[in-house]
Amino acid sequence: IVLTQSPATLSLSPGERATLSCRASQSVTDSLFWYQQKPGQAPRLLISYTSSRATGIPARFSGFGSETDFTLTISSLEPEDFALYYCRQRNEWPSTFGQGTRLEIK
Amino acid sequence: QVYLQESGPGLVKPSQTLSLTCSVSGVSINNRDYFWSWIRQHPVEGLQYIGSTRYGGGTDYTPSLEGRVTISIDTSKNHLSLRLTAVTAADTAVYYCVTSSDWGEYWGQGTLVTVSS
Repeated sequence: IVLTQSPATLSLSPGERATLSCRASQSVTDSLFWYQQKPGQAPRLLISYTSSRATGIPARFSGFGSETDFTLTISSLEPEDFALYYCRQRNEWPSTFGQGTRLEIK
Repeated sequence: QVYLQESGPGLVKPSQTLSLTCSVSGVSINNRDYFWSWIRQHPVEGLQYIGSTRYGGGTDYTPSLEGRVTISIDTSKNHLSLRLTAVTAADTAVYYCVTSSDWGEYWGQGTLVTVSS
């Protein structure tokens, strides 16, 4: 399953709302996960099964969607939120990742 | 707290075998509630799932690597291993050890492996 993320780069300012998109080439039901990666670090799980925040993830992060279309929303950007974001599907083997969206400071 | 630490040679010659170890602390690797995986991150191609296993269960490999890859568990050392044969420059990547359960997901810091003569 191919996951296509858009946009490739998103330029916003702290305090603004960010909306990241992930589209699957076929249905992944609700088995869609979101990760954040900062330079020199491993990816960190943010959202499981479309909308469940992982332990310790702030409430400003939320996920929505189903089947083939999913979004990750950050309601009000904090300086530490500027990073790379990946979606991942685990509905079919092998699990696959999107190419990522870079969230940069405007 | 679960902690994973990958280790292995940073440089491997083409056609040779890449061998990595993931040392696990904070949980027993024979805990059947946990899945153990290897994921790699290419400089350009991005994140790729290599395979996963669970103690007492089967092991699955991504089709593009099947035949070259082996993932195994060593309960005496509480670690996970990855073996990839006949490497090429396309296998140059950061390799991550990952574990997941109903209680969360944990990643190691990753180890860079470069395939070059």
